[in-house]
Amino acid sequence: GQNIDQPTEMTATEGAIVQINCTYQTSGFNGLFWYQQHAGEAPTFLSYNVLDGLEEKGRFSSFLSRSKGYSYLLLKELQMKDSASYLCAVKKAGGGNKLTFGTGTQLKVEL
Amino acid sequence: SAVISQKPSRDICQRGTSLTIQCQVDSQVTMMFWYRQQPGQSLTLIATANQGSEATYESGFVIDKFPISRPNLTFSTLTVSNMSPEDSSIYLCSVDKGGGEKLFFGSGTQLSVL
Repeated sequence: GQNIDQPTEMTATEGAIVQINCTYQTSGFNGLFWYQQHAGEAPTFLSYNVLDGLEEKGRFSSFLSRSKGYSYLLLKELQMKDSASYLCAVKKAGGGNKLTFGTGTQLKVEL
Repeated sequence: SAVISQKPSRDICQRGTSLTIQCQVDSQVTMMFWYRQQPGQSLTLIATANQGSEATYESGFVIDKFPISRPNLTFSTLTVSNMSPEDSSIYLCSVDKGGGEKLFFGSGTQLSVL
């Protein structure tokens, strides 16, 4: 099976940087995704890592270490609109394209 | 990208009844998935909707409770049968546009069962 862990909630200040961690255990790994979900809305894709290293996309970056079963999402220059739930999801090798999601990290950005 | 229309957006239903949720995509897609998101929880995959064959269900979900149709490459339905309050949840349709790099999600159906 798969086990995906992320902190339940985090609070950060507008303009600051926040790092949301995700650890996973899976028998076979074929990619890790980060999604953002605002309250009452569908999840939207943020990033995808399949190889070790850092993927940067504007204010958002995502890092993966396959040997450690670890990823993080880094959000820079936080804005109030970044307040949302951030979902880590893992794609399993041989599992088609279905994803297993973590429980999500609720990020609150404060003034 | 993909434009996914899901309806109804929300419904309030009586215990014991059934609700069918529709998912329409603006282009042909290979794979369509149905997820459930219970209050305060993350997404749990219910099943993969396969075109031309029966859906593939995840552990804990059965066809009698969640029958799925996939008549073509742009459309799918999920029925929540014989509902109970425990079925109150958001149900989300998602699609894979090919390449397998990301899923796109519909706007979801907020279901409340009384």
